[in-house]
Amino acid sequence: EDKVVQSPLSLVVHEGDTVTLNCSYEVTNFRSLLWYKQEKKAPTFLFMLTSSGIEKKSGRLSSILDKKELFSILNITATQTGDSAIYLCAVDFSGNTGKLIFGQGTTLQVKP
Amino acid sequence: DGGITQSPKYLFRKEGQNVTLSCEQNLNHDAMYWYRQDPGQGLRLIYYSQIVNDFQKGDIAEGYSVSREKKESFPLTVTSAQKNPTAFYLCASRFLDSGNTIYFGEGSWLTVV
Repeated sequence: EDKVVQSPLSLVVHEGDTVTLNCSYEVTNFRSLLWYKQEKKAPTFLFMLTSSGIEKKSGRLSSILDKKELFSILNITATQTGDSAIYLCAVDFSGNTGKLIFGQGTTLQVKP
Repeated sequence: DGGITQSPKYLFRKEGQNVTLSCEQNLNHDAMYWYRQDPGQGLRLIYYSQIVNDFQKGDIAEGYSVSREKKESFPLTVTSAQKNPTAFYLCASRFLDSGNTIYFGEGSWLTVV
């Protein structure tokens, strides 16, 4: 059975802290891994990762994929209260099946 | 404006009634999806469709039904067979070519009392 597992499920930090969110997967026909941020309603796209070892970076956020060990991490440095959200990891399948499955999400709360 | 429109945003229904959630996209996307989200949790795949007149079950399809008669429309019916239907429902779509991300509608809150 295909599955995507995120950890931790929830996290509380203070502004300025650095956090690392984890996403591991066991799927057939892996194509890519995606990270999303969800604050209120619709998730918004952060990163797409297809190759191992290549870091994607956007401001204080960065992410990397390890296709051998089947996991990805999302790092957020110098956290701000605006980073408080649910962070979702998803796996896309090859072969144009269209299937895309998500993990349980990590709820991050950043306190002032 | 281009995008994905879900309606209604909020819906209350009595137990035992079927309810249909609408999802329309004008992005010319190939694939459309329905996900369910329970409070504080991730997204679980209900159904998805790669092409008109075809769709596949996701991980939690029981108690739900869909149709894809037009490329731009993918309505979801929550039937009375769904044991715990109260949840936040998200519709999404994307192109199926390699490397395309998924885009979401604003969601529909369904409360069954």
